[in-house]
Amino acid sequence: DAKTTQPPSMDCAEGRAANLPCNHSTISGNEYVYWYRQIHSQGPQYIIHGLKNNETNEMASLIITEDRKSSTLILPHATLRDTAVYYCIVSRGDDKIIFGKGTRLHILP
Amino acid sequence: DAGVTQSPTHLIKTRGQQVTLRCSPKSGHDTVSWYQQALGQGPQFIFQYYEEEERQRGNFPDRFSGHQFPNYSSELNVNALLLGDSALYLCASSLEQGWKNTQYFGPGTRLTVL
Repeated sequence: DAKTTQPPSMDCAEGRAANLPCNHSTISGNEYVYWYRQIHSQGPQYIIHGLKNNETNEMASLIITEDRKSSTLILPHATLRDTAVYYCIVSRGDDKIIFGKGTRLHILP
Repeated sequence: DAGVTQSPTHLIKTRGQQVTLRCSPKSGHDTVSWYQQALGQGPQFIFQYYEEEERQRGNFPDRFSGHQFPNYSSELNVNALLLGDSALYLCASSLEQGWKNTQYFGPGTRLTVL
């Protein structure tokens, strides 16, 4: 079973920041938080990952709470192309990825 | 720099047949994982290959087998196809670093079993 809990769906207005929450209360010390997204019928796309520090790249920012039991993926300026299913995953990195149901993000024009 | 590539894109087979799917990893990667994604579901882990050997396996029957070649490319074979094998088959590659490996996915092969 997936070790993460995400809301099944969210809406965000185009141009606004999309904040996607994830709970992972049983995360182990050597597990990373990974985020992937999957646009309809395509392969999952890697977005970002982190261990305990906040991370930022050209796609998104990842905010991890100090106790590491939850995190938030932030898409700073959402566009229609960001409409996808977003998966939050905890993994050591050398292990199989266990996908949950993810969050279906709808970007509204 | 080419990403993960998979072939074919689409495939139609009938029950009982056998199928082979192919994957070329991202340049510099040495580990290949395969996933099955049924319609409306998240991907499910099938197995992972490293150094030409199966390193991990998910909850899939022996009808699912694989191979990794010296150039790190990989094949997924499914025998005695069932209707329930219809799915998007995804390949992901990564670089073995002991841990902290990010897996990058290919576009997938859509298999339809009639």
